Amino acid sequence: GAGVSQTPSNKVTEKGKYVELRCDPISGHTALYWYRQSLGQGPEFLIYFQGTGAADDSGLPNDRFFAVRPEGSVSTLKIQRTERGDSAVYLCASSLQAAIRGTDTQYFGPGTRLTVL
Amino acid sequence: GESVGLHLPTLSVQEGDNSIINCAYSNSASDYFIWYKQESGKGPQFIIDIRSNMDKRQGQRVTVLLNKTVKHLSLQIAATQPGDSAVYFCAENIRKDQGGKLIFGQGTELSVKP
Repeated sequence: GAGVSQTPSNKVTEKGKYVELRCDPISGHTALYWYRQSLGQGPEFLIYFQGTGAADDSGLPNDRFFAVRPEGSVSTLKIQRTERGDSAVYLCASSLQAAIRGTDTQYFGPGTRLTVL
Repeated sequence: GESVGLHLPTLSVQEGDNSIINCAYSNSASDYFIWYKQESGKGPQFIIDIRSNMDKRQGQRVTVLLNKTVKHLSLQIAATQPGDSAVYFCAENIRKDQGGKLIFGQGTELSVKP
């Protein structure tokens, strides 16, 4: 399968701890997106990358959240000093390009379920 | 639109019937719309998309209708099957200003009775 993959699939942590969530996009996709989905709701945008740079990080809720994509492929979402309210499914998506006419459909990974105790 | 609450709207249909799932979007400047299907424990799966210069687009067993006047989107599924049971989300995008950022609706849970 050449889809978007995310690891781990589940992460349980204690309040105050640091976590990293990883996303491997579809090979060749230049755009990568992070969303957060709470129970019973639609995904909410966090940040997206075009190549290595964060093109839009307006959805990051506060400065405890940070994401990187140093080589323009794999991305890591980092959450410092986790809080119970951070518990959600974190979804990653990738597209061939971003905001360009044509094939920029976003394809989602299975998500990482984060539980903060 | 913004997602509210924990109780998704639910649509229950008989196998073989046609299903219509509706969505009201929030921004009149949105120019690209997508329907996703999400099964339990999985990520959203792309179904079909439509650009604002169209009012209808058909795929395999699915049709999306766009009414920009009232900011309404619908997904029609023909001959609904048990495998269609899932939560369906509409999403909107303003390509020029927001790049790839998608804004998702609340979702509708489709339940297909065999």
